Amino acid sequence: AQSVTQLGSHVSVSEGALVLLRCNYSSSVPPYLFWYVQYPNQGLQLLLKYTSAATLVKGINGFEAEFKKSETSFHLTKPSAHMSDAAEYFCAVSDFSASKIIFGSGTRLSIRP
Amino acid sequence: EAGVTQSPTHLIKTRGQQVTLRCSPISGHTSVYWYQQALGLGLQFLLWYDEGEERNRGNFPPRFSGRQFPNYSSELNVNALELEDSALYLCASTLPGTDTGELFFGEGSRLTVL
Repeated sequence: AQSVTQLGSHVSVSEGALVLLRCNYSSSVPPYLFWYVQYPNQGLQLLLKYTSAATLVKGINGFEAEFKKSETSFHLTKPSAHMSDAAEYFCAVSDFSASKIIFGSGTRLSIRP
Repeated sequence: EAGVTQSPTHLIKTRGQQVTLRCSPISGHTSVYWYQQALGLGLQFLLWYDEGEERNRGNFPPRFSGRQFPNYSSELNVNALELEDSALYLCASTLPGTDTGELFFGEGSRLTVL
């Protein structure tokens, strides 16, 4: 079975600082990995996805993530945080052997002025 | 192009009642997923429908059920509501034949059970 673990339920950074949100996965087959963002009172929106092409994936709003098979990680980064980045971020793995997409528990990102 | 639409956006029920939530996928999408987002628990997979058939369900009791109609819209039914059913219920759709799992989400139906 596949699973996703997000380290840190809440991360707070200063505006302009580096954003690092951690995600580790478990999968018996090559995974498809995703980061989604959820702004307050909204549904989830895809930030970026890894589908076995380039290991460094660039997404919207300046975010990127690197697939590291040896570390079973897919951490999300952004060089310089903006106030508008405050939201909840979810890492997800596609598990088509079980026909479902599994989400992590989420990390709430706060930005300090 | 219209996104995934869900109704109602908010509703309040009491324990023991029944509720039906509705979802219209993006035009051309034939797969619909339902997730429960309870406070502090992330997204829990509920159901997956594709081409009118239930393809998979998560670890939820049978009082959670649903269906998909010929126009690919979907309903989620919850019977005998319990307090812990209070949550945001999210519907997502995806393109037919996709093998990447990219989901397009609606804004959810927030259910409060008193």
